[in-house]
Amino acid sequence: EAGVTQSPTHLIKTRGQQATLRCSPISGHTSVYWYQQALGLGLQFLLWYDEGEERNRGNFPPRFSGRQFPNYSSELNVNALELEDSALYLCASSLALGGKEKLFFGSGTQLSVL
Amino acid sequence: GENVEQHPSTLSVQEGDSAVIKCTYSDSASNYFPWYKQELGKRPQLIIDIRSNVGEKKDQRIAVTLNKTAKHFSLHITETQPEDSAVYFCAAKDGGSQGNLIFGKGTKLSVKP
Repeated sequence: EAGVTQSPTHLIKTRGQQATLRCSPISGHTSVYWYQQALGLGLQFLLWYDEGEERNRGNFPPRFSGRQFPNYSSELNVNALELEDSALYLCASSLALGGKEKLFFGSGTQLSVL
Repeated sequence: GENVEQHPSTLSVQEGDSAVIKCTYSDSASNYFPWYKQELGKRPQLIIDIRSNVGEKKDQRIAVTLNKTAKHFSLHITETQPEDSAVYFCAAKDGGSQGNLIFGKGTKLSVKP
């Protein structure tokens, strides 16, 4: 069974540009979560999508947005990039029924803003 | 919303010793508390979890305890081994959202042979 996959692995952008990160959940998982992992700050919750709807978002500015497609894959968009957006962005998915809390993480996208 | 505090941020122990990592949470409605382990360069993986109707749970060398009254929970690793070296994250399920996990800032555990 394929795990959670994320692309690209690395992304280099300059300040002010836009970045798009992609995530494919494990087959059968309908919930997708996005977390930002910056050095020393742990895993900060960004967004949660379930069945195509945004269910919750963390304390991030509106320039962080995303969507979930009918096949449950997801996209995270970061507009007007700032230097402090440099971080590892992790996507996770969970089951639709029972055991919903267990998260399966992808390997992440390392975003560098120059 | 939920807030999770975790300490210590770094912990160094000798192989064979025990390690304890502690977390506190703010939302009394939270009912699910997992621990994730992230080895260097790898993705976080669930190692153990506990629900609010249970006070303690064990799985071989690891155990988690929960004190709902004090709103804190702890991870205990006994007979530590070098392969236990990693960053450990505690988390609490946001009681208000019923869905997403809020993580602590992590503890970097180093086990010296």
